[in-house]
Amino acid sequence: GNSVTQMEGPVTLSEEAFLTINCTYTATGYPSLFWYVQYPGEGLQLLLKATKADDKGSNKGFEATYRKETTSFHLEKGSVQVSDSAVYFCALSRTGANNLFFGTGTRLTVIP
Amino acid sequence: GAVVSQHPSWVICKSGTSVKIECRSLDFQATTMFWYRQFPKQSLMLMATSNEGSKATYEQGVEKDKFLINHASLTLSTLTVTSAHPEDSSFYICSASPSSLWGANVLTFGAGSRLTVL
Repeated sequence: GNSVTQMEGPVTLSEEAFLTINCTYTATGYPSLFWYVQYPGEGLQLLLKATKADDKGSNKGFEATYRKETTSFHLEKGSVQVSDSAVYFCALSRTGANNLFFGTGTRLTVIP
Repeated sequence: GAVVSQHPSWVICKSGTSVKIECRSLDFQATTMFWYRQFPKQSLMLMATSNEGSKATYEQGVEKDKFLINHASLTLSTLTVTSAHPEDSSFYICSASPSSLWGANVLTFGAGSRLTVL
């Protein structure tokens, strides 16, 4: 079946610290992988995505690389800001499908 | 950009009553909308796929008579939790993508509706 396992939070970092949120997946076939972010009081927003092995998704300083050999899609950012405080969700979808399988979400709090 | 609005954002009801949650695509038409449910500290779980003008497709284990979905127009889908009980308390989230596009990467999510059943 399809599933996503995500690092549990909450995660608290100081501003400018390095961020890693781990995500591994189980899927049949060749899924697409996503990171979504949910800021307080808002809906989930697509942060970045990768559709095939070795692809690197990037946006707003965040990066994640689709690693088929380790079935991972870890989220990283070199220097976090207070405005990055949010809940981050790793997700996958099967090719051509619109429904997503989500991880449990990781709450990140960045303190000044 | 595409915006999905949910209403209400939170609702408290008594056990045995029914609650309706609306999901609207504000600036695009959506032939398909998705309803998710999230328990505390757990993933979002897909409940059903709402199809405009036809019956919704429910995921395994989701009671269709309990969670009534109506997608009467290209911009509105409703989820009605019938005869709600405390175990139905949860965070319900809808998502949609413009009719002309397909693929999970174009999904837009609502902010969610928190239901508390007393």
